Amino acid sequence: AQKITQTQPGMFVQEKEAVTLDCTYDTSDQSYGLFWYKQPSSGEMIFLIYQGSYDEQNATEGRYSLNFQKARKSANLVISASQLGDSAMYFCAMRESEGNQFYFGTGTSLTVIP
Amino acid sequence: DSGVTQTPKHLITATGQRVTLRCSPRSGDLSVYWYQQSLDQGLQFLIQYYNGEERAKGNILERFSAQQFPDLHSELNLSSLELGDSALYFCASSPAGRRETQYFGPGTRLLVL
Repeated sequence: AQKITQTQPGMFVQEKEAVTLDCTYDTSDQSYGLFWYKQPSSGEMIFLIYQGSYDEQNATEGRYSLNFQKARKSANLVISASQLGDSAMYFCAMRESEGNQFYFGTGTSLTVIP
Repeated sequence: DSGVTQTPKHLITATGQRVTLRCSPRSGDLSVYWYQQSLDQGLQFLIQYYNGEERAKGNILERFSAQQFPDLHSELNLSSLELGDSALYFCASSPAGRRETQYFGPGTRLLVL
């Protein structure tokens, strides 16, 4: 089974609107971390946000927030007030405490339309 | 600029050869991670070092090896290269006590012909 599933290969959003990128995960660990990364067309990888499995509050970093629903094993990324510079690939990842393994999803390509 | 440097930026080599990729973490960061991004396999975690010691191992092939030196820079050695090893290799570092935050280098793009 896939550890990380991102079901949206491509998404479009109007500038200034909010957008949600979906991510579901599969683990039997009690302790794990969830990450989102952004990869613009230039190729660099940028860490966006982190959520620990024991964190009670949803993580937020500026315009990024992580909608963490533990029972549903989902960790969706919400980008508010989209900007043209948000156009990029977005990867969801999980780190299991058991073995410290990292797993990545296949990514979602986000295009912000002016 | 993340503060993580990787050299070289591009590398073209032939099958069967051996290459070394170098990574210098941000000043003071003790953890170094290596990742591979290819069209076939997507993003894969290879290995992590913390203060010179191997901390976690991912999908790293036996033909690949890595180490972290006392000055905390790290090298990823790829040997007996195959066409399928063509990929973007990222290094990332994280500060002590904040392993949830990773700073990525610009990557080394390897092309095996």
